[in-house]
Amino acid sequence: GQNIDQPTEMTATEGAIVQINCTYQTSGFNGLFWYQQHAGEAPTFLSYNVLDGLEEKGRFSSFLSRSKGYSYLLLKELQMKDSASYLCAVRDWPYTGGFKTIFGAGTRLFVKA
Amino acid sequence: DADVTQTPRNRITKTGKRIMLECSQTKGHDRMYWYRQDPGLGLRLIYYSFDVKDINKGEISDGYSVSRQAQAKFSLSLESAIPNQTALYFCATSDPRQFTDTQYFGPGTRLTVL
Repeated sequence: GQNIDQPTEMTATEGAIVQINCTYQTSGFNGLFWYQQHAGEAPTFLSYNVLDGLEEKGRFSSFLSRSKGYSYLLLKELQMKDSASYLCAVRDWPYTGGFKTIFGAGTRLFVKA
Repeated sequence: DADVTQTPRNRITKTGKRIMLECSQTKGHDRMYWYRQDPGLGLRLIYYSFDVKDINKGEISDGYSVSRQAQAKFSLSLESAIPNQTALYFCATSDPRQFTDTQYFGPGTRLTVL
């Protein structure tokens, strides 16, 4: 079946580094996305990986290994405002016919002072 | 100004009522989507439209219908609402001309069906 797994919750300290892991099993692969979602708000785009390796964007980095079906999101110099849910999503279209982006349930990150 | 807007933002209704959720965008994107989000579950696709004349069912379309009135407008209807349709609903848009074809989400509509 098609599935995305990520931890339900994580806690980290302000100023620290945290890594949020995501593993996926999909019929095809056409890119992996990370979104940030504050409670009750819209998901906002953070990063996109389609090739293996690390993509860095300011305090946020995302890594992909397609052979392992694995990605992580790395957040550096954590700030209180980083407290949010982080959604991992894989696009497996057009390999399976109908359009589909599969979303994980999200990892709720708590940043403490 | 928001690029993707949704109305209403909150709605409480009763079982059996017809409900319409509306989505408008000023991003100029051809592709539009409707998702629902439930606690502990990932976003699930209800319907999507790649242009004004194109409508496609997603993974959970039963009980829902959509209308693409223009490039900028995509409405979701619940013909006869039921309590298990209580959820947070998001509209999203994307532009296939962008390499990533990233989806951009509206602020959401919180729907409660009593």
